[in-house]
Amino acid sequence: GDSVTQTEGQVALSEEDFLTIHCNYSASGYPALFWYVQYPGEGPQFLFRASRDKEKGSSRGFEATYNKEATSFHLQKASVQESDSAVYYCALSGPGTQVVGQLTFGSGTRLQVYA
Amino acid sequence: DTTVKQNPRYKLARVGKPVNLICSQTMNHDTMYWYQKKPNQAPKLLLFYYDKILNREADTFEKFQSSRPNNSFCSLYIGSAGLEYSAMYLCASSRSWGGWAEQFFGPGTRLTVL
Repeated sequence: GDSVTQTEGQVALSEEDFLTIHCNYSASGYPALFWYVQYPGEGPQFLFRASRDKEKGSSRGFEATYNKEATSFHLQKASVQESDSAVYYCALSGPGTQVVGQLTFGSGTRLQVYA
Repeated sequence: DTTVKQNPRYKLARVGKPVNLICSQTMNHDTMYWYQKKPNQAPKLLLFYYDKILNREADTFEKFQSSRPNNSFCSLYIGSAGLEYSAMYLCASSRSWGGWAEQFFGPGTRLTVL
């Protein structure tokens, strides 16, 4: 079945550091790829999505590029702030689920940014 | 209003007793989902309603039930709670439109089974 792997369980950075969170997936065809962010006490929030090879998704200074060859969708941000501290989830929705988008999530990466 | 509400936020249950969790949304979304989230694991889809049609994942088919009496409301029912049901339960909703729509999540219900 479909799967998503996030390499880092936790990431600790200082403000203005560069962020990369790695996401690799396994699925047939061209799944849609997502990043969600979860702040303490809240449910996950949609960050952005990409649905075709080489498409870049972006929001709030975060970005990721769909790489079909590498089966990756790595999250990056040039300069993190303390307010970016949260759990980040990579997810996919298989090509057979365009009508009802069931999500397969990665296990999440907890980002802690220190002032 | 893009809020998904869940009640209760915290639930304590005894082994063998039933549990009923509630979710509501006012966005007129046609699809509602339930996920189970355990520490250090990915959120796992349990089931979803597309309009009035219930779809349950194969490996959770017999463990969870659900009802959706109207578009705004969806419940998750556990007939006999076991220790393994202790987890965060997340409800989400989306508007299905032939693309990959974003899902809106509630804050979750933390279920502890003793």
